[in-house]
Amino acid sequence: EPEVTQTPSHQVTQMGQEVILRCVPISNHLYFYWYRQILGQKVEFLVSFYNNEISEKSEIFDDQFSVERPDGSNFTLKIRSTKLEDSAMYFCASSGGQTHRPQHFGDGTRLSIL
Amino acid sequence: KQEVTQIPAALSVPEGENLVLNCSFTDSAIYNLQWFRQDPGKGLTSLLLIQSSQREQTSGRLNASLDKSSGRSTLYIAASQPGDSATYLCAAPGGSEKLVFGKGTKLTVNP
Repeated sequence: EPEVTQTPSHQVTQMGQEVILRCVPISNHLYFYWYRQILGQKVEFLVSFYNNEISEKSEIFDDQFSVERPDGSNFTLKIRSTKLEDSAMYFCASSGGQTHRPQHFGDGTRLSIL
Repeated sequence: KQEVTQIPAALSVPEGENLVLNCSFTDSAIYNLQWFRQDPGKGLTSLLLIQSSQREQTSGRLNASLDKSSGRSTLYIAASQPGDSATYLCAAPGGSEKLVFGKGTKLTVNP
């Protein structure tokens, strides 16, 4: 069964450094998402991406964050200058359609900021 | 603004028991609702997607119901097994494309 793949599984970075989290969505999906889950808290929406542009973003997704689909298969989340509070599990998801299809999630990247 | 609440926060049952997990949402103008399973330190596995036109959706021992008018969904697990131990998350659309998650119910099934 096709699945969403995320790399790396764990990333440790010094505060202030840039980090790029990578995702390979399911191949025929058109909608892509990033969510995050701070330890012990709810899963929170960050951003959605369709047709090579951001379609929606949350208040968490400020100027330090950016997303890109650099080729036909990868979808990346960049955090420009990491802060301690960026430490979380980051999930990528993809969907084949906007309203009637489930979102499929990857196993996540655990980001630890020191 | 969509808010999703799940009760109980944790549940411990003996193997073989049937159980119900509850989810409530504040904005009933939803087109579907999704249930996920999360194992410790792992990603989210989609269990069931129930459309707003459906009242129930079944997959194996799992049955999800949706009552939009009351803003509630339930996940019924029949004949629970130790392998069902995990956190179960409910997620409803938050206006457009994003999903709004509850905090989850941590289920422990004791052998």
